[in-house]
Amino acid sequence: QVQLVQSGAEVKKPGASVKVSCKASGYTFTGYYMHWVRQAPGQGLEWMGWINPNSGGTNSARKFQGWVTLTRDTSISTAYMELKRLRSDDTAVYYCARGGVGATTPRDYWGQGTLVTVSS
Amino acid sequence: QSALTQPASVSGSPGQSITISCTGTTSDVGGYNYVSWYQQHPGKAPKLMIYEVSNRPSGVSDRFSGSKSGNTASLTISGLQAEDEADYYCSSYTSSSSVVFGGGTKLTVL
Repeated sequence: QVQLVQSGAEVKKPGASVKVSCKASGYTFTGYYMHWVRQAPGQGLEWMGWINPNSGGTNSARKFQGWVTLTRDTSISTAYMELKRLRSDDTAVYYCARGGVGATTPRDYWGQGTLVTVSS
Repeated sequence: QSALTQPASVSGSPGQSITISCTGTTSDVGGYNYVSWYQQHPGKAPKLMIYEVSNRPSGVSDRFSGSKSGNTASLTISGLQAEDEADYYCSSYTSSSSVVFGGGTKLTVL
């Protein structure tokens, strides 16, 4: 069965970086785009970007350009999201979500979420 | 890219039908048939309910349906049940090959 398993919760200081992993199983990792979405406490969903695991090509929301790095390691079917220069308002649950075969929208399988807390 | 516009809250009684709207622009909702809807219960990951405007993933109740007219997409839930009480979000593919979400709608089953 399809599963996306994310790395564990993180506590970071302002200005630091965080790298969240998302290990996929149960399907061909390179066959579907992977999206990253975050949700601050009590807030809505915010799309961060996608990666095409086949080509490594990425696209991110304008807000996150130059600030987020999306990568993948096809040998272990894992996608990564690195966010730099963290601020307190980056405290959120970060989700990976499988997309379609093209760059459409997040679809049917989501990771369990990774809570990133930014606090001095 | 501005967030898609959803009502902050809707409510209905068990057995009734409700509709949640999601308004965008010609650069997103109106320009593509890539609108999805998600249900999110507190503390849980979002669950896909509708994709490509009106398609239901396997396992999703046929009480959930989606449609689109111009720049506005809609999610209709018929035969409301207590377990439908949750937050609902729409998303759309955009002309910049990105994705935009709606602000979310809290559904209360009275």
